[in-house]
Amino acid sequence: NAGVTQTPKFQVLKTGQSMTLQCAQDMNHEYMSWYRQDPGMGLRLIHYSVGAGITDQGEVPNGYNVSRSTTEDFPLRLLSAAPSQTSVYFCASSSSGGGTDTQYFGPGTRLTVL
Amino acid sequence: GENVEQHPSTLSVQEGDSAVIKCTYSDSASNYFPWYKQELGKRPQLIIDIRSNVGEKKDQRIAVTLNKTAKHFSLHITETQPEDSAVYFCAASMRGNKLVFGAGTILRVKS
Repeated sequence: NAGVTQTPKFQVLKTGQSMTLQCAQDMNHEYMSWYRQDPGMGLRLIHYSVGAGITDQGEVPNGYNVSRSTTEDFPLRLLSAAPSQTSVYFCASSSSGGGTDTQYFGPGTRLTVL
Repeated sequence: GENVEQHPSTLSVQEGDSAVIKCTYSDSASNYFPWYKQELGKRPQLIIDIRSNVGEKKDQRIAVTLNKTAKHFSLHITETQPEDSAVYFCAASMRGNKLVFGAGTILRVKS
């Protein structure tokens, strides 16, 4: 099992550009989520999904979109990148729920917005 | 709002000493409290968790205690080793099947 994978590992964008961060898991987990990690602020939940076709907002959803068409994939779209979105992004999955079970994190994507 | 406060933000201990990190949470309905360890440049990984029906849980040198009345929980690491140096995050489950993380504690174990 590859676990949770993310692409790309690094990305530099200019303000206003859009892009999609990819996340995939091969553990047949129903629950998937996206976090951003900023110095001194821990991990903050952006969006999450409890299964294919179902998504919901986390603490900091503004400027991001998600969709969940399959159990395996949960892409995160930045609509119009801003410098405030410079961060490290982690995707995570768990078998039964973000609030009740172990979350397995991907390796992260380091995003810089100029 | 829903939040988790974590203290201290940095902690330096001598090898062999104990380390304690404390967290408080706001949602009285929270019932799941995991701790994650993140080494430099790596992903967070679960090291121990506790549920609300248990007051204490231990796994070798690591233990977690929970006080639901006071809404706080703590991570205890005994006989610290240099490889324990990392950032530790506490988290608490919140309504809506979400997990809210503390801001993290940088633990440095000096040999």
